[in-house]
Amino acid sequence: NAGVTQTPKFRILKIGQSMTLQCTQDMNHNYMYWYRQDPGMGLKLIYYSVGAGITDKGEVPNGYNVSRSTTEDFPLRLELAAPSQTSVYFCASGTLAGNTIYFGEGSWLTVV
Amino acid sequence: AQKVTQAQTEISVVEKEDVTLDCVYETRDTTYYLFWYKQPPSGELVFLIRRNSFDEQNEISGRYSWNFQKSTSSFNFTITASQVVDSAVYFCALSMYSGGGADGLTFGKGTHLIIQP
Repeated sequence: NAGVTQTPKFRILKIGQSMTLQCTQDMNHNYMYWYRQDPGMGLKLIYYSVGAGITDKGEVPNGYNVSRSTTEDFPLRLELAAPSQTSVYFCASGTLAGNTIYFGEGSWLTVV
Repeated sequence: AQKVTQAQTEISVVEKEDVTLDCVYETRDTTYYLFWYKQPPSGELVFLIRRNSFDEQNEISGRYSWNFQKSTSSFNFTITASQVVDSAVYFCALSMYSGGGADGLTFGKGTHLIIQP
């Protein structure tokens, strides 16, 4: 029962570097999401996807890009990392009528 | 636009005390769903409960109970006889869809609950 798997779990980046956070789900969910969690600020939606080939911006998309080439995968790309992108990132997947959305275990990213 | 407010940033109680975490929401939708998640120190998000807008019955699960009141737009969470293992950040969230749908969940800022032994 893998659910939502995201990698890496921890990463330190230097300012200006780029990286991709990987996310895979095995529940055949149409909807996938990327959230970031900053201390005391709850979770904010970065990008979401309603199906393969379709993505859209959430509340805080600046500095990020996503793609959805398959139902299972929804990678998040950080271009030119900045200290403001230091955060915990959660990938999630869901449906319209499911029980809830399902989260990965989180990725701790530090930009120095 | 949807909004979830958790006014209590941090609560600290002594073990075995009862504690209530407040959640107030705003939405224009007549059908919506409310959620509670627990985030222990290890960092993962643990789903606790989902409630739909047409079901105002209180829910009890062991030491946990939830009070949903549409009249005050609140969905409060009570832990009875708290234990150290209940120490965590608790998030209240809102969605138009039970499974998240296109917009996912709108989260409150969370309440950090500290249970002292």
